[in-house]
Amino acid sequence: EAQVTQNPRYLITVTGKKLTVTCSQNMNHEYMSWYRQDPGLGLRQIYYSMNVEVTDKGDVPEGYKVSRKEKRNFPLILESPSPNQTSLYFCASRRTTQGGEKLFFGSGTQLSVL
Amino acid sequence: AQSVAQPEDQVNVAEGNPLTVKCTYSVSGNPYLFWYVQYPNRGLQFLLKYITGDNLVKGSYGFEAEFNKSQTSFHLKKPSALVSDSALYFCAVRDLNFGNEKLTFGTGTRLTIIP
Repeated sequence: EAQVTQNPRYLITVTGKKLTVTCSQNMNHEYMSWYRQDPGLGLRQIYYSMNVEVTDKGDVPEGYKVSRKEKRNFPLILESPSPNQTSLYFCASRRTTQGGEKLFFGSGTQLSVL
Repeated sequence: AQSVAQPEDQVNVAEGNPLTVKCTYSVSGNPYLFWYVQYPNRGLQFLLKYITGDNLVKGSYGFEAEFNKSQTSFHLKKPSALVSDSALYFCAVRDLNFGNEKLTFGTGTRLTIIP
C-alpha cells in the first residue's frame, strides 16, 4: 500500500531533550516536506526537500533540522525542543505527473514539550 | 510573497443543501491552487487542484472548485452536502513564479453538515 509513515504517533518530552520524528514513504517520490498544525494558524511548512541531499527552509524553520540521506526517509530533528514547539506535525511526499501534483500525508505526530 | 485566506472558521450546512467553503489567495505570479480535507485523527487528503484550463475543476467525493482570477478566489463547492462531508478543509497555494516550491496553507474551515 502506498503510504507515508510517521513515528511516533504521540510524543511527550521535556525542554532541551533532543528528539527525532521519523518519516518514510514507499512511493519513490522526490519531494518531501514537514508541516506543523496549530489551532487558528493552519498548516505551516517547516522544511522541504526536492531530492536526496537537497533541503530548503519553509516558513517556520527555526528550531528544526532535517536531513535527506535517502530518497524514502526525511526525519525531522529538534535539537533542543521548547514548549512553543508543542504541535501536531505532518510529513508529506509529493507525486508529480503530467496531470499535476498532489501531496500524500502521514497520520501525524502529536508532540508535547513540557 | 504568497498567501491564502479562509475567512470562515466554521461553516454549518443542512444535509442535502449546497455548500460553499471560501478561499482567496495572493501571489505575484500564476497560482497553483489546492483543496485538502482532514478527517478527525487523520492526515490531510487531496481533494482537487487548479493550475490552468477550465475555471471549474472537479475533484474527489463530488466536490468542485471555481477559480476566479479577477476576484483571486478559489471557493470549494458541492451541490448536495452529506453528513460524511463534515471535516476540516484547507485551501493551499503555490506561486509558480521563479521556481518557488513552497506551499502555503490557509487556516482551515471546519465544515459541519447537520442531519
